[in-house]
Amino acid sequence: EVQLLESGGGLVQPGGSLRLSCTASGFTFSNYAMSWVRQAPGKGLEWVSGISGSGTSTYYADSVRGRFTLSRDNSKNTLYLQMNSLRAEDTARYYCARDKHDTSLVWFDPWGQGTLVSVSS
Amino acid sequence: QSALTQPASVSGSPGQSITISCTGTSSDIGAYNYVSWYQQHPGKAPKLIISEVSGRPSGVPDRFSGSKSGNSASLTISGLQAEDEADYYCSSFTSSVTLVFGGGTKLTVL
Repeated sequence: EVQLLESGGGLVQPGGSLRLSCTASGFTFSNYAMSWVRQAPGKGLEWVSGISGSGTSTYYADSVRGRFTLSRDNSKNTLYLQMNSLRAEDTARYYCARDKHDTSLVWFDPWGQGTLVSVSS
Repeated sequence: QSALTQPASVSGSPGQSITISCTGTSSDIGAYNYVSWYQQHPGKAPKLIISEVSGRPSGVPDRFSGSKSGNSASLTISGLQAEDEADYYCSSFTSSVTLVFGGGTKLTVL
């Protein structure tokens, strides 16, 4: 069974940093591009960042470019999102999602259950 | 990276058909056949229901169908059922090599 398990969320002050992790199982992790998608409380979905299966290509939404860094460790089947200079508007549930095979930003299936990030003083 | 445009809400009675529209631009929906649709029930993670305009993943009922014309895409649900009540989101690959979602549509089954 394909599973994605996010971790690392929590409460952080504005300007602070947080690193999210997404551990995958049930498929050959390195064969798939991956993305993070977030959802602010009561709001819609917002794509945050994506990475190719090899990790050599990364993509970012304008809202996080320069502050967030996406990486992966295929030997550990784990995706990482390093979030720096956090702002109140980054408060959201962050979902990890598997992309279509090795092609990036096509469609996402499945999704993890998400991890909650709250940015507040 | 403006969000795709969806109606905030739609409704229908059991057994009826509804259509949710998703409008983009020539830089996203109009340029690529990479439109997808997701269903999200309250408190749950989104679920892929339509891939690449009209593809239906395994396990998704054939009551769900997708289409595209120009810069717009549509999701049609026929034979509406109570369990279809959820939020629906469209998405598209963009020429900026990013992905954009629609604002979401709340479907109410009357």
